[in-house]
Amino acid sequence: YELTQPPSVSVSPGQTATITCSGHKLGEKLACWYHQKPGQAPILVIYADSKRPSGISERLSAFNSGNTATLTISGTQAMDEGDYYCQAWDGGCYVFGTGTTLTVL
Amino acid sequence: QVQLQLWGAGLLKPSETLSLTCAVYGGSFNNYYWTWIRQSPGKGLEWIGDINHYGATSYNWVLGGRAAISTDTSKNQFSLRLASLTAADMATYYCARRPHSGFDFWSQGDLVTVSS
Repeated sequence: YELTQPPSVSVSPGQTATITCSGHKLGEKLACWYHQKPGQAPILVIYADSKRPSGISERLSAFNSGNTATLTISGTQAMDEGDYYCQAWDGGCYVFGTGTTLTVL
Repeated sequence: QVQLQLWGAGLLKPSETLSLTCAVYGGSFNNYYWTWIRQSPGKGLEWIGDINHYGATSYNWVLGGRAAISTDTSKNQFSLRLASLTAADMATYYCARRPHSGFDFWSQGDLVTVSS
């Protein structure tokens, strides 16, 4: 099972960034999203398709339907830069997306 | 606050066995799955397997049965052994906690190098 993300997304400060994750019938699975900065472990920012863990900014939101999960970051800031990975469970194996590097120009 | 601390050998030779241990501080050891994940430049993030406090395990089939995860509930620790190492196993290894959805707490990464 594969989860495909765009390699990179660029956005201006204050604008909205959208990162997609595509996989066969992904909407029928629970999707999660992680944010990773260089040299650090990933941080869970979205679980169960659209829920934010405690301490995660309300500027992050997500939706999962059909074959695509989407992470949206509103009012993008420099601190949002880094790599974003989607993740889902597929028949007993946890699969991660290919990753998207978000650049705030 | 939950913290996971990982340790183990970082430099190994081909065919050797990797051993890593993860200690869990804070929170309950029960009611969660305890997970091993690795990250390499070529393959990205890869789930290795997990275990619950009962000792029930699941593994990524792509590892071909080389991985073994165990727990020591008396110490709130769990361990990974990965046998028959090759260069393809070189990666940064993480341990993490999994509640119902997502991996919510991670350790620092441990870089594992496989070289003769």
